Amino acid sequence: GAVVSQHPSRVICKSGTSVKIECRSLDFQATTMFWYRQFPKQSLMLMATSNEGSKATYEQGVEKDKFLINHASLTLSTLTVTSAHPEDSSFYICSASTGVGGRAFFGQGTRLTVV
Amino acid sequence: AQSVTQLDSQVPVFEEAPVELRCNYSSSVSVYLFWYVQYPNQGLQLLLKYLSGSTLVKGINGFEAEFNKSQTSFHLRKPSVHISDTAEYFCAVSGSRRDKVIFGPGTSLSVIP
Repeated sequence: GAVVSQHPSRVICKSGTSVKIECRSLDFQATTMFWYRQFPKQSLMLMATSNEGSKATYEQGVEKDKFLINHASLTLSTLTVTSAHPEDSSFYICSASTGVGGRAFFGQGTRLTVV
Repeated sequence: AQSVTQLDSQVPVFEEAPVELRCNYSSSVSVYLFWYVQYPNQGLQLLLKYLSGSTLVKGINGFEAEFNKSQTSFHLRKPSVHISDTAEYFCAVSGSRRDKVIFGPGTSLSVIP
């Protein structure tokens, strides 16, 4: 099956700094990538949909200036958590697909801890 | 818009006993349905999916699920669970965009030796 790689798998950062998370499709071209957030012992909440070469579409309640998404190529999307605070600590998971009608393949997730 | 309900937040079951994890969905359009498993501190793994055709879907690790359109349900079953099945299970749905997945709240399955 298709492989989606997320990096880093774990990151600890100081409050006020920015953190970048990468999501790569290793063996297919992903025209669309999705970013999810998972709080402890809770479900995955869709944060945004990114299409290669265009601006991301954010779900209601997600701060676009806080969570910057870039999808500059068909194999890479990045999520940058800007000015991170402890409440941003969470498990972030991306998925990638070839587009409408395609199946989503999930990355292994990134556990962010802001101290 | 689609939504998913998983009525049981926690399901304890003894090893080798059968288990059913319930999932109900709502949607105004035709849906695709999925079950994902998340082991502790890990990402997601697709257990099985319903796209069309036979309503009984078999997945990995001995799991199966049945799509019931009239009851808008997609319950997950396994006839005999193992300790290694202890994990969080998410039912998920997508609509016209198969890749845009909406997750249910999850069911924590604990297998008791």
